[in-house]
Amino acid sequence: DSGVTQTPKHLITATGQRVTLRCSPRSGDLSVYWYQQSLDQGLQFLIQYYNGEERAKGNILERFSAQQFPDLHSELNLSSLELGDSALYFCASSVEWRVTSTDTQYFGPGTRLTVL
Amino acid sequence: GDSVTQMEGPVTLSEEAFLTINCTYTATGYPSLFWYVQYPGEGLQLLLKATKADDKGSNKGFEATYRKETTSFHLEKGSVQVSDSAVYFCALSEGQNFVFGPGTRLSVLP
Repeated sequence: DSGVTQTPKHLITATGQRVTLRCSPRSGDLSVYWYQQSLDQGLQFLIQYYNGEERAKGNILERFSAQQFPDLHSELNLSSLELGDSALYFCASSVEWRVTSTDTQYFGPGTRLTVL
Repeated sequence: GDSVTQMEGPVTLSEEAFLTINCTYTATGYPSLFWYVQYPGEGLQLLLKATKADDKGSNKGFEATYRKETTSFHLEKGSVQVSDSAVYFCALSEGQNFVFGPGTRLSVLP
């Protein structure tokens, strides 16, 4: 158990809908990362938050947004869903805003999103 | 930009066989290097890491050495078990940039 929790575990919805994925980082971790894992694209970095502020942005679509709250949990909002958005969405957390020799990312179990 | 290349899978081995999964990287500076493992139905778990050249990361019988001269971080294990069946991801981190390879699926047969 990495200490990172994600809810829900599974989500089934229809095209055009909006969903929210939730992530709670490990206790003491200030940084949260979101990743999308799909069969054809592999593991893609979406976005990183550190202590409530957006820190880095990867291949995140404009239809997607995220935020990190004062209690450090994070939510990833996906809107106007398309069939191609079906994937596993992982959250990871770390103490620092970047990886150091004594720190790394710890991954949650993921949320499997199916868009029908 | 930074990138990670892994050998194409799937890799199928018999129990107790020797494992090598090749990983090479491209980076502008001096990244930290990682191997993550993903067991069926689970998230990624850190397997080992190395943060500077010639460092050797090791865990659960797996080893990888950071080779700056060949920009490689090959994963090895002397004797694989059925329980090692999983997908293995090589990754690098440079500053706040974290890049994963495509993953290599390993199947170990009894």
